[in-house]
Amino acid sequence: GAVVSQHPSRVICKSGTSVKIECRSLDFQATTMFWYRQFPKQSLMLMATSNEGSKATYEQGVEKDKFLINHASLTLSTLTVTSAHPEDSSFYICSADTGIDTQYFGPGTRLTVL
Amino acid sequence: TQLLEQSPQFLSIQEGENLTVYCNSSSVFSSLQWYRQEPGEGPVLLVTVVTGGEVKKLKRLTFQFGDARKDSSLHITAAQPGDTGLYLCAGDSGSARQLTFGSGTQLTVLP
Repeated sequence: GAVVSQHPSRVICKSGTSVKIECRSLDFQATTMFWYRQFPKQSLMLMATSNEGSKATYEQGVEKDKFLINHASLTLSTLTVTSAHPEDSSFYICSADTGIDTQYFGPGTRLTVL
Repeated sequence: TQLLEQSPQFLSIQEGENLTVYCNSSSVFSSLQWYRQEPGEGPVLLVTVVTGGEVKKLKRLTFQFGDARKDSSLHITAAQPGDTGLYLCAGDSGSARQLTFGSGTQLTVLP
């Protein structure tokens, strides 16, 4: 199957700092990528849809100024958590749309904000 | 808002037993996908079902899509400890290619 990578796999930062997470489709081009967050023992919650070359579409309740998304190429989308706080600690997962009714997920990034 | 309800939420069984996980919605989906996720990792796609009434088998796993494309089930035969994980169903409504995820079923298979 298609491969999606995320970097870093885990990050620990101090409250008030910004953290950037990268999502790459390694062997296919993805015009659309999605960002999810997942709390322990819960399902995935869609945060935003990232379209190459255009602004991201955010789900209701997700602050677009706090979670900055950039999709500058067909293989790379980035999520920047600005001024992170402990409540932003979570597991962030991206997925890339192959364009044929299938999304492949990255391995996730564990963010811990102290 | 489309909702996908999964049941049961938690399931702990002995090795060798059979089990079924259900995924139900009042909405129609153009396709439905099943994923398995292990702690600290992203979900891994198991299968995609597209046609109402479709049945797909993947070794000891059998997936069924309801005739009306509103529900699905996952049946595991002779469960093994390696089947332990979080099973997620996700429906694709076709709109903006977004997936709606079910609440998940945490399966533990005891040796």
